[in-house]
Amino acid sequence: QITLKESGPTLVKPTQTLTLTCTFSGFSVSTNGVGVAWIRQPPGKALEWLAQFYWNDNRHYSPSLESRLTITKDTSKNQVVLTMTNMDPVDTGTYYCAQRLGKGGTGAFDPWGQGSLVTVSS
Amino acid sequence: DIQMTQSPSSVSASVGDTVTITCRASQNIHNWLAWYQQKPGKTPRLLIYTTSSLQSGVPSRFSGTGSGTDFTLTISSLQPEDFATYFCQQANSFPWTFGQGTKVEIK
Repeated sequence: QITLKESGPTLVKPTQTLTLTCTFSGFSVSTNGVGVAWIRQPPGKALEWLAQFYWNDNRHYSPSLESRLTITKDTSKNQVVLTMTNMDPVDTGTYYCAQRLGKGGTGAFDPWGQGSLVTVSS
Repeated sequence: DIQMTQSPSSVSASVGDTVTITCRASQNIHNWLAWYQQKPGKTPRLLIYTTSSLQSGVPSRFSGTGSGTDFTLTISSLQPEDFATYFCQQANSFPWTFGQGTKVEIK
């Protein structure tokens, strides 16, 4: 069974750096075809794809946020970490990590973590 | 970026009704389209991927069609547990993008 779980601070101050960790089980991020993404959702709003990491160390970022985002992996800990710099109140929302379904050829996310609510406020 | 536009933004329906939600892409995404269901306070649930492939465990009353730029999600014989918000998502090119959501409400 594949599970993912996000962890990190619930409250950050404006201009601070957010670090979120996705800890997963049931797969390895080094296995051919595996991808893990970060997706966020402001309260009451739509989902927004942020970044994606692949087994071959390829990374993709949202162009509008690319200068602030870094996605990395720790294979030994079964973790994918997202760092977002210069946090602003508009970054408040629930941050999800999710596995790309299958090992290519689906373009969808399943399963998802439970989400981590992050509030940006002074 | 590819823009995904859903319509309607909300729809009121009764149990047993058939509901159709449309998702339009700003450019050709071939069949790289997925649909998710989200209930308040819950994680999105994958329903359909590559336009029409039903994810394991999803009831057959959910179906997807389309290609290119125009796609639909149809819920046949709406059940009480189907009242939720639905999102489409394209995976043709990065950045992958989501629609703004369609809320299916009880009439």
